Amino acid sequence: NAGVTQTPKFQVLKTGQSMTLQCAQDMNHEYMSWYRQDPGMGLRLIHYSVGAGITDQGEVPNGYNVSRSTTEDFPLRLLSAAPSQTSVYFCASRQQGKLFFGSGTQLSVL
Amino acid sequence: AQKITQTQPGMFVQEKEAVTLDCTYDTSDPSYGLFWYKQPSSGEMIFLIYQGSYDQQNATEGRYSLNFQKARKSANLVISASQLGDSAMYFCAMREIYSSASKIIFGSGTRLSIRP
Repeated sequence: NAGVTQTPKFQVLKTGQSMTLQCAQDMNHEYMSWYRQDPGMGLRLIHYSVGAGITDQGEVPNGYNVSRSTTEDFPLRLLSAAPSQTSVYFCASRQQGKLFFGSGTQLSVL
Repeated sequence: AQKITQTQPGMFVQEKEAVTLDCTYDTSDPSYGLFWYKQPSSGEMIFLIYQGSYDQQNATEGRYSLNFQKARKSANLVISASQLGDSAMYFCAMREIYSSASKIIFGSGTRLSIRP
């Protein structure tokens, strides 16, 4: 029972590089979301999706893109990484209100 | 607008004592849900307890209970008989059922440290 799987677990980027954080869930949840966690600021919602083909912005969407072509996958793209995007990123799916989290990706942008 | 506030950045509690973690919220949605999550030093997010806005009784899950005061817009987490393993970050979160496409937002968290 895999649940929510995030890859990679750790990543170091240089300013201006692009990358995609992967998120997959095998629970057939319609709702998926991405959060970033910074010290003293809790988890802030970046983007979310209520189903395949539907995405929307959260609290801090700038600098990030998402797409949802399948129910299972919800990748997060950084087009041009900036040091301000150094953070821990969590993907989560939801069923009946309860969030199921991935194990997180620690991203450093130098 | 949807908002969650946790005013205690950190707390120290003696083992076996009860502890209350504060959470206040703001919403114009008549129907909403409130959650508490625990994040130990390992980094995983662990669901603790849920309270619906129309639930008549306060939610309880083992040693965890949610002190829900709707008129005051507060949803404090109470941990009875604290244990060393309760040392962690605790996050309050809210979901608006009708507005905001049911997205869930979090407070800034409280770091709880249990002293032996």
